[in-house]
This record gives sequence, structure tokens and C-alpha cells, in this order.
Amino acid sequence: GENVEQHPSTLSVQEGDSAVIKCTYSDSASNYFPWYKQELGKGPQLIIDIRSNVGEKKDQRIAVTLNKTAKHFSLHITETQPEDSAVYFCAASNRGTGRRALTFGSGTRLQVQP
Amino acid sequence: NAGVTQTPKFRILKIGQSMTLQCTQDMNHNYMYWYRQDPGMGLKLIYYSVGAGITDKGEVPNGYNVSRSTTEDFPLRLELAAPSQTSVYFCASRLPVAGERNEQFFGPGTRLTVL
Repeated sequence: GENVEQHPSTLSVQEGDSAVIKCTYSDSASNYFPWYKQELGKGPQLIIDIRSNVGEKKDQRIAVTLNKTAKHFSLHITETQPEDSAVYFCAASNRGTGRRALTFGSGTRLQVQP
Repeated sequence: NAGVTQTPKFRILKIGQSMTLQCTQDMNHNYMYWYRQDPGMGLKLIYYSVGAGITDKGEVPNGYNVSRSTTEDFPLRLELAAPSQTSVYFCASRLPVAGERNEQFFGPGTRLTVL
């Protein structure tokens, strides 16, 4: 089955700096890569996603890049703000399979220092 | 829409007790999922359902059972609680159609402790 590894496990940045979180996946059939943000005491919430036919996607201060050959994808947050502090999860799935379930990375705790 | 709702929010069980975690969604989603999240870890899939009457195992199904009698509800049953089942449980749902977004919507979670 799919295995997703995520680094780093914790990341502390100063407000206004950029943050980068990296993930690798094992199953070359995976073709959908979402990123979820989980705030304390809440369920994960989708912030951005990318499909395998796209190399980069951007939404305001958030961008995701995908390298299919190397099987890795990254989340980039620019101009970080204190409200960006949360746990971020990458995930992968094969949208061609029946269940379309997600395999999650282990999470990155991002702390933005004011 | 309330989205995905889960009850209870917290529960403490003794070893060997049983309980049902409730999950309801009002978005008419066919696909529903149960995940568990252990401390400092990602979410692992327990069971999933692609529609009423259809369920299947995920990565970590041992010790759990599910049913899907309606589109809205997807309860998770623990028959003989064990300390290894101490975790936070999340229910999620999504539409079955392929499209630009494949978003799963998550409930707020149930924090379960087995002592």
C-alpha cells in the first residue's frame, strides 16, 4: 500500500518568514495530493490540493509543488502569520481506486512566532 | 448544513466495555470514512463506505465494526475496548464524483480513552 513520509515534524518560524513542509510517497499510482490544516481540538480541513497532471498550484500565500518523478510534493507558506500556527498533514490517494481514501503523513506542527 | 457531526466529543471506557461512536453528515455524500489519530501521528483509515449497505476495511480494522444503513449515518462500534484503542477518532465524508476537488470533510472528532 501507499506510504507517505513528512518532514519536518516541527517547524518554528518568525512572523513574515516562509515555511516549507515536504512529503514523499511510495505508490507511483497515487495521483491526488491534498494538504490539510488541523487546529487544536478540530478536525483536519483542506487548504490546498494538487493532481498529478499539474506541477504547481498556488492560492494566495499557499503553494504546493509536485515532482512525480521523484515522488515528492511540498507545501510552501509565504508571509506567515500567527494564525498559520497549526498541524499540517500531507496526504496521497489514487483517485482511480474504489475507496479513494487518503494515506496521511505524520504531520508537521508549525509555530509562527509573532 | 451542519456538515459532519460526531458524538460523543469525549469518552472514557474501561477495558472490555463496548460503545458506538456516532457520525452523521447532511451533505448527501456517498463516501464516508473512519480514521483514528494517535498522538503525534497521522490519520489511519479504519473502515470506509461507498454507499448505504456497502462497507469495507481500511488499514487498521481489527477491534472495530461498522454499518451503513442510511446515506447520512456511519456508526463505528468497539466491542471489547482495549488500551490500544485510546485515540482520537475522526469521521469524514466526500462526494463520489471525480472533479477538480476530491475534498474529504472531517468531523470534529471523538477523543476516546480506554483505562
